[in-house]
Amino acid sequence: SQTIHQWPATLVQPVGSPLSLECTVEGTSNPNLYWYRQAAGRGLQLLFYSVGIGQISSEVPQNLSASRPQDRQFILSSKKLLLSDSGFYLCALDRSTGELFFGEGSRLTVL
Amino acid sequence: RKEVEQDPGPFNVPEGATVAFNCTYSNSASQSFFWYRQDCRKEPKLLMSVYSSGNEDGRFTAQLNRASQYISLLIRDSKLSDSATYLCVMTGGYNKLIFGAGTRLAVHP
Repeated sequence: SQTIHQWPATLVQPVGSPLSLECTVEGTSNPNLYWYRQAAGRGLQLLFYSVGIGQISSEVPQNLSASRPQDRQFILSSKKLLLSDSGFYLCALDRSTGELFFGEGSRLTVL
Repeated sequence: RKEVEQDPGPFNVPEGATVAFNCTYSNSASQSFFWYRQDCRKEPKLLMSVYSSGNEDGRFTAQLNRASQYISLLIRDSKLSDSATYLCVMTGGYNKLIFGAGTRLAVHP
């Protein structure tokens, strides 16, 4: 069965510090992968999606970036965090049924 | 206008009640529709897909009205465990799903 591992689960970072969130998937090959962010009281916002190694599409301009160095690894990064980067970051893959399957998420607080 | 609009709630209902949520969307080209459930501080999980003819899964019934561009979710005989946020979701283009902000349901004894 497919699984998604995200880490860290929770982190508190100061403004201006770098960020790296990791997502790895198991039980599938060549998945489409996604990074979503959910701010408090808001809907999920698609940040990036990837259809393969090295292929990244960005949905919104921001100070975040994503990379896919391996088929089952998807990384979200920032060089300098902003207060507005706080939120719940979710990695997801899509299943053949059209369903998005999510990892357990990484909760980021920027102070 | 937002692409997907939902009443944020909360809907406070007693156990056993029937409750319905609506969701309106603006992109008439959306092809696929879903309801997801999200528990507090957890990831969203698929509840059910929504088909044009309407579909039922136990106590849950989903319907799609393309002409008026809305989908609905009906929950019968509410349980305490139904308390969660329900997200309206639809396709928005190649490889993309668009999520509503969700409707919060609180079922009380």
